[in-house]
Amino acid sequence: DAGVIQSPRHEVTEMGQEVTLRCKPISGHDYLFWYRQTMMRGLELLIYFNNNVPIDDSGMPEDRFSAKMPNASFSTLKIQPSEPRDSAVYFCASSLGGGSTEAFFGQGTRLTVV
Amino acid sequence: AQSVTQLGSHVSVSEGALVLLRCNYSSSVPPYLFWYVQYPNQGLQLLLKYTSAATLVKGINGFEAEFKKSETSFHLTKPSAHMSDAAEYFCAFISSGSARQLTFGSGTQLTVLP
Repeated sequence: DAGVIQSPRHEVTEMGQEVTLRCKPISGHDYLFWYRQTMMRGLELLIYFNNNVPIDDSGMPEDRFSAKMPNASFSTLKIQPSEPRDSAVYFCASSLGGGSTEAFFGQGTRLTVV
Repeated sequence: AQSVTQLGSHVSVSEGALVLLRCNYSSSVPPYLFWYVQYPNQGLQLLLKYTSAATLVKGINGFEAEFKKSETSFHLTKPSAHMSDAAEYFCAFISSGSARQLTFGSGTQLTVLP
């Protein structure tokens, strides 16, 4: 398996524009997570899905952020409108089962909002 | 609230020296505990995890960690540092009995000096 695949790897956009980040989890995994990493706040869990259903979105910072998982092999994280403070590295991760199973991370999308 | 605390945001060791990265958890019920490593411009990779099966856990790349309930600690060690160990290391936990929330510590940047 190719692992968790995120696209794009880098995104530079202007303030006010819509940004869509994409993630393809490992085939067969039933949990999918979106994290944001910044120098100031470290790694923050934004939202996670189980069997394509959002379970906890309490980490989503504002209504400008939304996430979807239309099927088991694809998820998006959308920011509309984007702001400079959204600049961060966004990671997608997936795992099989709950409890203590390992989460596998993608390589991340580095978002810069200017 | 449950959390993990990593003592020391930066640690420097000489090549061949002992590596010790500290992590303490705050929970009345021992959680599942993990150590992840992040190399520059990469996602996170699992080093090892504690799930109550054994207090001394061996992971990849020669790392190990010992769960000490009396000290609420899960420190990461490696007997002899290699240059390739230079990376950021994250302690993380999932609360026992909770939903699938993997929460990370603030990270420790390890520098290996020649």
